[in-house]
Amino acid sequence: QVQLVQSGAEVKKPGASVKVSCKASGYTFTSYGISWVRQAPGQGLEWMGWISAYNGNTNYAQKLQGRVTMTTDTSTSTAYMELRSLRSDDTAVYYCARVVVVPAAILDWGQGTLVTVSS
Amino acid sequence: QTVVTQEPSLTVSPGGTVTLTCASSTGAVTSGYYPNWFQQKPGQAPRALIYSTSNKHSWTPARFSGSLLGGKAALTLSGVQPEDEAEYYCLLYYGGAHVFGTGTKVTVL
Repeated sequence: QVQLVQSGAEVKKPGASVKVSCKASGYTFTSYGISWVRQAPGQGLEWMGWISAYNGNTNYAQKLQGRVTMTTDTSTSTAYMELRSLRSDDTAVYYCARVVVVPAAILDWGQGTLVTVSS
Repeated sequence: QTVVTQEPSLTVSPGGTVTLTCASSTGAVTSGYYPNWFQQKPGQAPRALIYSTSNKHSWTPARFSGSLLGGKAALTLSGVQPEDEAEYYCLLYYGGAHVFGTGTKVTVL
């Protein structure tokens, strides 16, 4: 079955960077994309962007442009999301999700990774 | 900045029917926005229910259905079960980028 297993919780100081991984199994990695979604404590879902595992094309949410980078390693079927210049309002659970580009659909979700930004 | 708006909360009786809607600040929602719907229970990751307006995933219970209604995307729950109590989010596609709705808390009472 499809599984997306994310890396463990992180605690970072303001201004630092964090890199979250998402290891996929149970499907052909390069036939789908990976979206990243975050959820601040007690808040709703926020779409951060997505990456094609086929060719590495990316599309980021405008508010995160310049601070976020999404990459994939097809040799290990792993996707990564790096967020730089962390602020306290970046504290959230970060999810990866398997996506189909056409039609635009999110299918399966990782278990989530809590990133806490605190001095 | 594009805003996608949902009802903050709805209450339904067991066995009843409830319809959630999803509106875009840019205008009427059409099939070209590829509406997706998700269910999220406390402490859990979201679960996909509907894609491309009305298509169900293999795991989606038959009582969930998606449609377009009055310029909005809609999710209807028919024959509501106690386990349907959850937060529901829509997701709309804006030519490469996506925006989630504000979420609807459904209470089964």
